[in-house]
Amino acid sequence: KAGVTQTPRYLIKTRGQQVTLSCSPISGHRSVSWYQQTPGQGLQFLFEYFSETQRNKGNFPGRFSGRQFSNSRSEMNVSTLELGDSALYLCASSPTNWGSYEQYFGPGTRLTVT
Amino acid sequence: KQEVTQIPAALSVPEGENLVLNCSFTDSAIYNLQWFRQDPGKGLTSLLLIQSSQREQTSGRLNASLDKSSGRSTLYIAASQPGDSATYLCAVKFETSGSRLTFGEGTQLTVNP
Repeated sequence: KAGVTQTPRYLIKTRGQQVTLSCSPISGHRSVSWYQQTPGQGLQFLFEYFSETQRNKGNFPGRFSGRQFSNSRSEMNVSTLELGDSALYLCASSPTNWGSYEQYFGPGTRLTVT
Repeated sequence: KQEVTQIPAALSVPEGENLVLNCSFTDSAIYNLQWFRQDPGKGLTSLLLIQSSQREQTSGRLNASLDKSSGRSTLYIAASQPGDSATYLCAVKFETSGSRLTFGEGTQLTVNP
């Protein structure tokens, strides 16, 4: 079974631009969660999607948004990029959004904002 | 507030030593706890998953224990090797948080040859 894939792996953007990151979960998994990792804040939860609906949201500004498609693939979008958005963005998938299922992480997208 | 704390923040040991990394969490109502390894600039590699009903899990030289009632987990690494050098992260799935994992800040481990 293929693992979680994320594209692109690396991205360089300029302040003020917007960016879209993609995550394809493990086949059969319907829950996708997104995390941001920065040296100062560690790993922080952005949001989670299950069955095309956002089920849970972390404490991030509205510039961060996401969506999930009927095939469970998910995208996250960051508008009006700021220097502080430079981070490793990780997505994780699991079969469902409740219970004790393990989370499987992708390799991440490294975003650099200049 | 549900929090996860890891001690120590950094650890440097000579090759061959056995070592223990600690993780504590503030709410005992958890589904599970995962230990991850992260190499510099890379993603997360899952090491061990302990369900809330389990007391420990083992994989090779790694052993993780869980004491839910006291809100503690330990990761024991036997006979450490330079290749074990990485940051080790503890993540807890609380019962009231859906699929969200709450991560500790990590322990940066250096194993010296």
